[in-house]
Amino acid sequence: GAGVSQSPSNKVTEKGKDVELRCDPISGHTALYWYRQSLGQGLEFLIYFQGNSAPDKSGLPSDRFSAERTGGSVSTLTIQRTQQEDSAVYLCASSADGTGELFFGEGSRLTVL
Amino acid sequence: SQKIEQNSEALNIQEGKTATLTCNYTNYSPAYLQWYRQDPGRGPVFLLLIRENEKEKRKERLKVTFDTTLKQSLFHITASQPADSATYLCAPYTGGFKTIFGAGTRLFVKA
Repeated sequence: GAGVSQSPSNKVTEKGKDVELRCDPISGHTALYWYRQSLGQGLEFLIYFQGNSAPDKSGLPSDRFSAERTGGSVSTLTIQRTQQEDSAVYLCASSADGTGELFFGEGSRLTVL
Repeated sequence: SQKIEQNSEALNIQEGKTATLTCNYTNYSPAYLQWYRQDPGRGPVFLLLIRENEKEKRKERLKVTFDTTLKQSLFHITASQPADSATYLCAPYTGGFKTIFGAGTRLFVKA
């Protein structure tokens, strides 16, 4: 597609379950970012990828969070043993070379009951 | 540590007036700064990028200034319209490939 695609758009899960969120960036974009946005809050940086490597994982809130990117394209953000405080919108963005304009997806809204 | 500050309170203005939003940063000198717009339930959308050697940049009704001495960027929307109501985010470049955003300022334009 022409833009950044994220799935699922909505996910409701029970506390303690694992969830996987997927991001399909714009074709050819080398940089990919994950952010978290809690209700009424700003964007919290989680992790970025340059190609398949993640030079900066400093934003991941805990070791329950992990992310990978394969083939320089699709990325998956995995949250293990979800907690209620993980409820938020998870936004993915990509950019051509890691500098300048970011293109965002519409986000995956996660609700942990 | 690097810090980005935007007006935390919402800005309410009358249609037709100029809206001015502020972005302040401390403890670093960004080579460029970006502004984004975010509508409720949507991802942010890029608006403008201004580099450190540019004092001002314009795009249609938008104007951005970048004062590296004051460590501040101002974002102006002239002849504002209700459709301009949104949250506006600034993102001063923090180095490497990591893009960090300010908390954003909500703008409400009343008809």
